[in-house]
Formats: sequence, C-alpha cells, structure tokens
Amino acid sequence: EPEVTQTPSHQVTQMGQEVILRCVPISNHLYFYWYRQILGQKVEFLVSFYNNEISEKSEIFDDQFSVERPDGSNFTLKIRSTKLEDSAMYFCASIQGSTGELFFGEGSRLTVL
Amino acid sequence: KNEVEQSPQNLTAQEGEFITINCSYSVGISALHWLQQHPGGGIVSLFMLSSGKKKHGRLIATINIQEKHSSLHITASHPRDSAVYICAVSQAQKLVFGQGTRLTINP
Repeated sequence: EPEVTQTPSHQVTQMGQEVILRCVPISNHLYFYWYRQILGQKVEFLVSFYNNEISEKSEIFDDQFSVERPDGSNFTLKIRSTKLEDSAMYFCASIQGSTGELFFGEGSRLTVL
Repeated sequence: KNEVEQSPQNLTAQEGEFITINCSYSVGISALHWLQQHPGGGIVSLFMLSSGKKKHGRLIATINIQEKHSSLHITASHPRDSAVYICAVSQAQKLVFGQGTRLTINP
C-alpha cells in the first residue's frame, strides 16, 4: 500500500537552530500539507502546497516557516530559528486530487530545548 | 467557540458495545473526515464524507449537512479499537480539526 514517509521520526534541537523536516508524499499525489500537533492539543493546519506553490497557510505559518519541493519527490518544512513553542509532532499529508482521502505520514516529533 | 466540536471527549466501554462519537461543526465545508490516531501518534484516514453514510467493516459514518452534524459508529467494539478518533472538516485547502475523542475499549 502506498504511504507517506517522514524523516526524521524524532529530532531534538537547541532553541534558535534551523530544522528541516522531510516528507516523501505518495508519488501520484498533487496536493501536500503540513500539520502540527502540540502535545495534548488538537491537530492544527500549517500550510497547503500545490503546483509548486503555497495555496493556503495558517497564521501559525509565519516568516520562520517555509516549504519547498526541491526535487519533485521530497516536500520539506523548514523552521529557520526554532522556539520552545515549536516543540510538536509535525505531520505531512497528501491527496491525489483536490478532494479525496488524505494520507498522513507517521509524523516527525520535534523537541526544542 | 471551536469550529469543530466532538463529544464525548473521553469514552470507556466494554468489548462488544456499540460506540457512537459525535461531531458538530459551525462552518461551511466541502467534506468531513473521520481519522484515527493511535498511541504512537500516527494518523489514519477512516472516512471522507460529503453526504449520507459510509460503512467499512464495523465502522459506520453518517453526516447530516443541514444539521452540520456527523457521527462515527463502531459495532461490536474490540480493544484494538482503542485510539483517539478525530473529526476534521475540509475548508478550501485546509482541514480544521476537532479536539478528538479518546476511546478505550476494555476486554
């Protein structure tokens, strides 16, 4: 069964450091998403990406965040200068068409010290 | 007020019981998703609904667009059904999530 893969599964970093979280969406999917879940809280939308550009972003997704699809397969989320409050589980997801079943990765747990 | 409200927040039941989890939303949507999150954190899509009812094995999901309400039912519940069940609604290019319902099925 096709799956969305995320790396790393867990990253520990110091406050102020840059972090890149990587995702490989399902190969024929066209829409990509990043979500995050702070421990004990609900999942929150960060950004959606289609046709090599951001289609929608939340107010959480400020200038410290960026997304890229550098090589046609990977989809990355970069946090430029991490803060303590960036500690969360980050989920990548993809859909084939604009509507349809969402496929989530297993998540990348980010811990900022 | 949250745009997506789930009830109950926590539910404990005995194996074999019929389970119902409810979701109400206050915004216009293009679809509603039911998701399952296991203790390790991974999220799996169970259903995507825009109208009516869907069934997959022991799971049934219904949606009433006029009332802005959806339910997830589990028949003949089993301890392996223990997880957090999340309702999420599609608004344009994003999902808005409910806070989840933690379900525990005791043997």
